[in-house]
Amino acid sequence: DQQVKQNSPSLSVQEGRISILNCDYTNSMFDYFLWYKKYPAEGPTFLISISSIKDKNEDGRFTVFLNKSAKHLSLHIVPSQPGDSAVYFCAASDDRGFKTIFGAGTRLFVKA
Amino acid sequence: DAGVIQSPRHEVTEMGQEVTLRCKPISGHDYLFWYRQTMMRGLELLIYFNNNVPIDDSGMPEDRFSAKMPNASFSTLKIQPSEPRDSAVYFCASSRDGGRYEQYFGPGTRLTVT
Repeated sequence: DQQVKQNSPSLSVQEGRISILNCDYTNSMFDYFLWYKKYPAEGPTFLISISSIKDKNEDGRFTVFLNKSAKHLSLHIVPSQPGDSAVYFCAASDDRGFKTIFGAGTRLFVKA
Repeated sequence: DAGVIQSPRHEVTEMGQEVTLRCKPISGHDYLFWYRQTMMRGLELLIYFNNNVPIDDSGMPEDRFSAKMPNASFSTLKIQPSEPRDSAVYFCASSRDGGRYEQYFGPGTRLTVT
């Protein structure tokens, strides 16, 4: 049972355009969400997070939007750069907070 | 700080052999996590420790898998006997604040069981 779903295995975007990565979750107890980025042959690295008390969090070119009623979040990258090409994992945790459930990942290709 | 250190980076072994993966967490981090990444299932949590004590091993696939943390600076994940379906990338991660906030991942061990 996948509690965190990233239904798009891959996404291709032109440099300079917006990249939108989507994530859905099923557990209504989740109240903290994170995005990690992973380059080949490296471990995932934390990118940005959002608490359920907010619906938007922004950090430079990266913005995460949360729609609690739809149990949906998205990561927007504007403008996209070739160096953003990586696998992006969506993750969620509940207020017990001791473990995080990850999605399967979306591979982003940014074409120059 | 050197970050989370994992060894070996690559392991190729034959079915039936014992495999031991090693992890050194970041100093001062009280939580340590073992994950497995596969194409089909993405990033799965296998087990996590708090202050060297295993807290949740519900993700460990079967009895062939075991993990230990004898001290705050070292953990092992052992597979005995290994099977081809165990082939995956295994990550270790550590954190100060449980799994809720940022975790710091090692570079992973790519395991191939033939």
